[in-house]
Order: sequence, then C-alpha cells, then structure tokens
Amino acid sequence: AQSVSQHNHHVILSEAASLELGCNYSYGGTVNLFWYVQYPGQHLQLLLKYFSGDPLVKGIKGFEAEFIKSKFSFNLRKPSVQWSDTAEYFCAVNAGTGNQFYFGTGTSLTVIP
Amino acid sequence: NAGVTQTPKFQVLKTGQSMTLQCAQDMNHEYMSWYRQDPGMGLRLIHYSVGAGITDQGEVPNGYNVSRSTTEDFPLRLLSAAPSQTSVYFCASRFHRDTGAYGYTFGSGTRLTVV
Repeated sequence: AQSVSQHNHHVILSEAASLELGCNYSYGGTVNLFWYVQYPGQHLQLLLKYFSGDPLVKGIKGFEAEFIKSKFSFNLRKPSVQWSDTAEYFCAVNAGTGNQFYFGTGTSLTVIP
Repeated sequence: NAGVTQTPKFQVLKTGQSMTLQCAQDMNHEYMSWYRQDPGMGLRLIHYSVGAGITDQGEVPNGYNVSRSTTEDFPLRLLSAAPSQTSVYFCASRFHRDTGAYGYTFGSGTRLTVV
C-alpha cells in the first residue's frame, strides 16, 4: 500500500527564516504530487502540484517544491516565511491511474513575528 | 461561486442519533470523496465515488454510508453516531481522468461533535 510520510509534525520559525518541510512517499511508479495548505479554521487549498516535467515546481505565495525521484521525496520550501504562513501543510500523492489520494499526517507551521 | 458546498458547518449529536452531511459541487467533477480530519492523523478517506451510481469504501468506512444519485451530490450518512466519530469532515471533488492537472477542491468542512 502507498504511504506518505511527513516527519516534521510541528515546526516553529521566526519571520524571515527559511522553511523546508519534508515529504516522502512509497510508490515505485508514476506519481502525481501535491502540497495543500490549511489556514486556521479553513479548508485545504492547493499550494502547488507536480505531475511531469521540471521537478522544481513553483506555487502560490512564494512556495516551491522539488521532486527527487531517486529519493521518493517532494519537499516544500520557502526562502523567507511570514507570520501569515502559519498553517498546517499536507503532502499528498496520487499514483498513476489510481483513484485515491494519500495524504500525509500534516506539519503544523507556526511563524513567530 | 463554483466550488464544493458542505452543510452544516457545525453539528452536535447525541450518541445513537443519525444524520446526513450534505455535499454538493457544481464543477461537473466525476470524483467525489469524504475525508475525516483528526489531530495527529491527517486526513483519512471514508468513502469515495467515481461517478453517479458508483461508490466505494476508503480507509475508515465503518459507521458511514454514502450514495451518489447525481453527479453533483454526495451525502454522507452517520447511521448511529458514536463519540469516536467526533471529527472534522471534508468533502472533496476532482476530475476523474485529469488528476495531475487539478487535484482536489475541498469544501469548507463540517465540525461534528458526538456527546
């Protein structure tokens, strides 16, 4: 069965610090990869996605992620976080022609002003 | 506005009561699903549907029923509520054959408390 691992459960950063959130998945075939963000009290919103082409993908609000196939990873990065980035971040994988998404358990990010 | 609409936003039930969480989308998405979100456990798939008349179980289906009589609607029924079903429930939809391009659109969630 597929699985998605987010090893950082809770991250606390000061404003302007750099961010990297880890995401690893277990599936050997073609994958579609996503990062979702959930601001406090809100629903999940798509941050960025990868399905083919350039392994470095850019999303909204200055976020980017790099797909490294050999490491089964899709880490999320932002060079300089803001207080408004405080949220929960979920990595998700959809494999090939499969019907289901698999979500990681989420990483809670707190940015201190 | 186009999107996924969930009702109600909040609900308190007594143990043993039944209720239906409503979900509707107006984007002509074939694929709809229900997730529950619990602290430290992320999102877990309850049931999903790839089109009208077709439903299937996800990771945690026990205690829940679904039906898909139209493309737009995908209600989730709790048959006999239990405290373990206290959670936040999200409905989500997407195109079935174009997963990579669009991903999921999520509803705003239903916060359910069973006492």
